[in-house]
Parts: sequence; structure tokens; C-alpha cells
Amino acid sequence: QQQVKQSPQSLIVQKGGISIINCAYENTAFDYFPWYQQFPGKGPALLIAIRPDVSEKKEGRFTISFNKSAKQFSLHIMDSQPGDSATYFCAASMIGGGADGLTFGKGTHLIIQP
Amino acid sequence: GAGVSQSPSNKVTEKGKDVELRCDPISGHTALYWYRQSLGQGLEFLIYFQGNSAPDKSGLPSDRFSAERTGGSVSTLTIQRTQQEDSAVYLCASSLGGRGNNSPLHFGNGTRLTVT
Repeated sequence: QQQVKQSPQSLIVQKGGISIINCAYENTAFDYFPWYQQFPGKGPALLIAIRPDVSEKKEGRFTISFNKSAKQFSLHIMDSQPGDSATYFCAASMIGGGADGLTFGKGTHLIIQP
Repeated sequence: GAGVSQSPSNKVTEKGKDVELRCDPISGHTALYWYRQSLGQGLEFLIYFQGNSAPDKSGLPSDRFSAERTGGSVSTLTIQRTQQEDSAVYLCASSLGGRGNNSPLHFGNGTRLTVT
């Protein structure tokens, strides 16, 4: 059972455009939603995270939008740059317990064209 | 400070051989995770350590896979009688706290395993 569904699998955006990656989850007990960024040959690294008590969190050009009723959250990259080209993973977990740790989406391969 | 270190960075082995992959987590991190990433695929959870014990081994794909952690630090993932389908990048991650407190996972750069 795939608890976190991520789309699209791959995405090409022109430099300066907005990149949008979407995730949907099934487990209503999830209450922590991080995004990880992975460059080729490197391990993933935490990019930004959100709790469901807010609908949006912004850090620089990166914004998470969260829709609790729809059980969806998305990553927006504003003014996308070639250096943003990477694979992005959304994830979800439960703060304070739960047998499962982070559940990752399958990833989105993002290419920013100059 | 030093991040998560994995060795070797690349390993080529013949089918049927055993391999050992090593992970040195960030000092003081009590939680350690192993993931597998096949070409173009997502992150497949393998095993979770809290200290030296492994409360969750549910992701290990077969009994050919095992892992241990000693001294609350270094971990070794062992794959016996390797098969071609074991070819993947094996990622190790550590975090300051265990599951449930959402400490960020710090990943190493992985070991790329190729089974010929």
C-alpha cells in the first residue's frame, strides 16, 4: 500500500518558471510533512517541512502548501534555477509515535532548462 | 562537523558473493536507517536502529540481508549470496532522535552496489 503518492514522476521547467510537485497521503494520522532534495551522487537532504496546523510555509523560493481536508500537500519552487535540478521526495510521518517512520513518495526528477 | 559517512562508495561484486556495506553516522545520533534506491526509483526502507537494537527490520527483502550496529555508532549491512537484483544504491541515514520526534534524517552519499 503506497501511503504517499507523488506526482509528476518527472518535470521540465524553464528557468524563471514555477515548479510544482504534488503529494497526496492516505493516513490521517500523519502530522509531519517534509520534503527532501537529492542531487546526483548525493544522499537526500531535508529542504523544508510543514506541520498541518498551518496551510503554507515559505523559505526563500521554496513554499509548501498544505490542504488538510484534501490530504494533499505540494512544493512550489518560485523563479526556478538550473541549480534546482534534482530529485525531490515528499514524505510523511507521525510526530510522537507510531510504528512507522517516514513514508516517502517515489520522487520527482526535476530539470530546469536554462 | 562530519556528516554521515558510507564506505565503500562503489562496490562491484560477482553474483553469489557476500558484501558488507559500512555506515558511520553523525556522532551522537541515536537513530540509524538503511534505505535502498534502485535506478530512478524511490527510497525503499530496509531497517531502523535505535541505539544498537533494531525495532523495525520489516523492510529487509530476504534473509540474505542482515544488519548490525555496535556501540551505538557504526552499522554494517551485509548481503549474502548477492543476486543481480540487489544492484542498487544503499543509503544510510542517521538522526538525533528516534522515530516520532521528527528529527531530520541526515543521509550519507550511499554505496553503489553492482552485482555482475
